[in-house]
Amino acid sequence: QQQVKQSPQSLIVQKGGISIINCAYENTAFDYFPWYQQFPGKGPALLIAIRPDVSEKKEGRFTISFNKSAKQFSLHIMDSQPGDSATYFCAASWYSSASKIIFGSGTRLSIRP
Amino acid sequence: EAGVTQSPTHLIKTRGQQATLRCSPISGHTSVYWYQQALGLGLQFLLWYDEGEERNRGNFPPRFSGRQFPNYSSELNVNALELEDSALYLCASSLSSGVQETQYFGPGTRLLVL
Repeated sequence: QQQVKQSPQSLIVQKGGISIINCAYENTAFDYFPWYQQFPGKGPALLIAIRPDVSEKKEGRFTISFNKSAKQFSLHIMDSQPGDSATYFCAASWYSSASKIIFGSGTRLSIRP
Repeated sequence: EAGVTQSPTHLIKTRGQQATLRCSPISGHTSVYWYQQALGLGLQFLLWYDEGEERNRGNFPPRFSGRQFPNYSSELNVNALELEDSALYLCASSLSSGVQETQYFGPGTRLLVL
C-alpha cells in the first residue's frame, strides 16, 4: 500500500517531442506528489510538485497531470530537449510530514537530437 | 550557498567490513535524510535525523545506523557489509521536519562491496 509504481522504465523521445512518464499509487492518504530529476553523477533535484486539490500544474515545459479518482499522476515534458535527458523519479508523501517520501523506481529518459 | 556535500564520493569495501559515510547539510537545515539507491530499485528511505535525534527509519536491518552531530552533519554506518549493500547512498537535507519542506540531495557516495 506504500508503493508508487512508475512506468516506463526507459523512454526514448525525439527532440521536440512530448515525453510522458506515468505513476500510480495506492495509499489515498498521500497528499503531496513531487517529481525529481537526476543527472548522472548528481543527486536528485526537485523538478515540480502537486497536491491533490488541483488536477494539473504547469511550470515551463513541465506539466504534472493528476487523476485523484484513478490514483494516477503523470509528468509531461513538452518540446523535449537533449538537456532533458536524465532519470526522473515520481514520489508521494504526506504534506504534514517531510520525514518519508516514497519514490517510484525511476524512468531513464533519452532525448534524441 | 553551498549545497549538500557527501564524502567520500566512492568507497570500496569487502564483505563483513564496516562503512562510514558522511553528510553535511545545507547551512541552516536541521533535518537530514539518508536513502539507498540500488540499481533498478529507485530510492529507498533509510533514516531521518532532526535536531540530533533519529526520528524515523525505513525497512532496513539494524546494521544500518547513524547519527547527527550538534552541527547537524550526519554519519551513516553500515556494519557487517553484504554484497547487496552495494549502491549509491544519498543524503538530503531540509529546513525543518514538521511541514513539508523540499529535500535537497547531495551527489551521493557510491559504495561497492566485494
